[in-house]
Amino acid sequence: KNQVEQSPQSLIILEGKNCTLQCNYTVSPFSNLRWYKQDTGRGPVSLTIMTFSENTKSNGRYTATLDADTKQSSLHITASQLSDSASYICVVIPKAAGNKLTFGGGTRVLVKP
Amino acid sequence: DVKVTQSSRYLVKRTGEKVFLECVQDMDHENMFWYRQDPGLGLRLIYFSYDVKMKEKGDIPEGYSVSREKKERFSLILESASTNQTSMYLCASRQGQGNGQPQHFGDGTRLSIL
Repeated sequence: KNQVEQSPQSLIILEGKNCTLQCNYTVSPFSNLRWYKQDTGRGPVSLTIMTFSENTKSNGRYTATLDADTKQSSLHITASQLSDSASYICVVIPKAAGNKLTFGGGTRVLVKP
Repeated sequence: DVKVTQSSRYLVKRTGEKVFLECVQDMDHENMFWYRQDPGLGLRLIYFSYDVKMKEKGDIPEGYSVSREKKERFSLILESASTNQTSMYLCASRQGQGNGQPQHFGDGTRLSIL
């Protein structure tokens, strides 16, 4: 069964610090991998998308990396802000899945002043 | 900007009731989806639709049905609500058939079944 595992489950960091979230997946082959940000009480919003041939993608202070050999992705948040407090969800889109995505359980990040 | 609107943010219903969750998108997207989100389990696909009157089962369709009579509207129906259907329900829409387009989510309906 295709799986996406995220770690840690939750994280507390001080404002201004960096952090890295991990995503390990078994989905293969896949067409692309996305990171979503979900604020409390809101729906997820797409942050980055990478195809299997891309190694890194940035969106402002968010940088996603992908290692297709080890089936790992990471999301790095630089100089965290209070507004970064949210859940971050890794989503892998299998190549043949069409509309069926595989979601990780998410990492809840809390940024403290 | 794409707007996906779910009719209720919070809903409380009783066991055995028939429950309707409504979702409307304003970008003429072909594809629409219903997910439920439970702590630690991630989003799980209940049903999706790729065109008007077309639907396909997702990973957990049992106890649910859907209706898509118009392109912009996708309804999730709990035929006879049970307590294990207490959850956050998220609707999403996506343009086109390729995998490159993101899904755009509504803000969710938190449903409690008593």
